[in-house]
Amino acid sequence: EAGVTQFPSHSVIEKGQTVTLRCDPISGHDNLYWYRRVMGKEIKFLLHFVKESKQDESGMPNNRFLAERTGGTYSTLKVQPAELEDSGVYFCASSLLRDSYGYTFGSGTRLTVV
Amino acid sequence: SQQGEEDPQALSIQEGENATMNCSYKTSINNLQWYRQNSGRGLVHLILIRSNEREKHSGRLRVTLDTSKKSSSLLITASRAADTASYFCAFGTTGNQFYFGTGTSLTVIP
Repeated sequence: EAGVTQFPSHSVIEKGQTVTLRCDPISGHDNLYWYRRVMGKEIKFLLHFVKESKQDESGMPNNRFLAERTGGTYSTLKVQPAELEDSGVYFCASSLLRDSYGYTFGSGTRLTVV
Repeated sequence: SQQGEEDPQALSIQEGENATMNCSYKTSINNLQWYRQNSGRGLVHLILIRSNEREKHSGRLRVTLDTSKKSSSLLITASRAADTASYFCAFGTTGNQFYFGTGTSLTVIP
């Protein structure tokens, strides 16, 4: 079974540019989550999709961040325009049920804004 | 905040020694998990302990959970240089939410 796949694994962009991160969850997993670890600090929740619907987006830091999950399959997280403080590792996870036992995390996208 | 707290924030030990890190949380949980993150890389799931369990082992890892004190500890025995990483506790709440601790940065000196 393929795991959660994130692309790209690493992205370096200039301040003010746009970057789109992609997450492919495990097939059949309705629940998809985005987390991020910024500047070596704690890992924080960003948002949760159930299929294509945003169930909880309370962790999205500001309106420069836009997450989508069209068709309820893969998800994208767009940062526009990127700021220096957005640098960090962005993790995606998926689960079959809406509980906390079966999360599978992707390997993350390391975003560096210069 | 529902964020868990971990201590120490940083730990440096010699290879072969044991490493212990602690996690405290504030809410009701149904499970607690430990993850490892190597520098700038992805999260690796290490171990899960359910709220009705008190201790669990996996290889060189030993996890304890004390729900009365709302705390957990991760013990890594006979550490190796390859264990150098950041370690995070994460807990699933009874409200089906999932939070991470603040992390412990472990350095194992060869």
